[in-house]
Amino acid sequence: RKEVEQDPGPFNVPEGATVAFNCTYSNSASQSFFWYRQDCRKEPKLLMSVYSSGNEDGRFTAQLNRASQYISLLIRDSKLSDSATYLCVVGSLDSNYQLIWGAGTKLIIKP
Amino acid sequence: NAGVMQNPRHLVRRRGQEARLRCSPMKGHSHVYWYRQLPEEGLKFMVYLQKENIIDESGMPKERFSAEFPKEGPSILRIQQVVRGDSAAYFCASSATGQGSIGNEKLFFGSGTQLSVL
Repeated sequence: RKEVEQDPGPFNVPEGATVAFNCTYSNSASQSFFWYRQDCRKEPKLLMSVYSSGNEDGRFTAQLNRASQYISLLIRDSKLSDSATYLCVVGSLDSNYQLIWGAGTKLIIKP
Repeated sequence: NAGVMQNPRHLVRRRGQEARLRCSPMKGHSHVYWYRQLPEEGLKFMVYLQKENIIDESGMPKERFSAEFPKEGPSILRIQQVVRGDSAAYFCASSATGQGSIGNEKLFFGSGTQLSVL
């Protein structure tokens, strides 16, 4: 089992729809969680950190479920510019605090 | 305020040659990380450096790969005697705080170097 798993997609979603995807992690000692966005083999860019209480940034909402060991990303009112690969990143103190990256979920927003 | 600068953007090498990838972190950042990304895969951690110190190289192949971050100048990832399997995108990232800081590991990435081995 991979340490951080994501559905590779692609998720094909019409513009304006709401889309959500999850990321599961295997290490119960994981302490920090992030969503990054990567466009067309360019560099990843931080989208948002994920806090225990959940957090929202505009159209984006991130949630953490420690009991089931997954984080989620919800995108409301999707825009064409949201098309990208979304990378889930998990950090654990007991892995020398390396950040473990998921392989990403590809999202395609269609007009 | 320049971001993380990587060069070259694209590098083509023949099998057996050496590849040198350079990374200048963001101003004020003293922590540098190198990642490798193969097509359709996530980023794989290679090495974490601070100035003049390798902190964690657990992701580096034991042979042919080395990294440094000298007191002056950019961080260098060096691959000797490249093979076709080394073809990948190599990303460098920097942060103001290190991996030991919970919740403060926000990484800023360079544009990457695409290495192609013929």
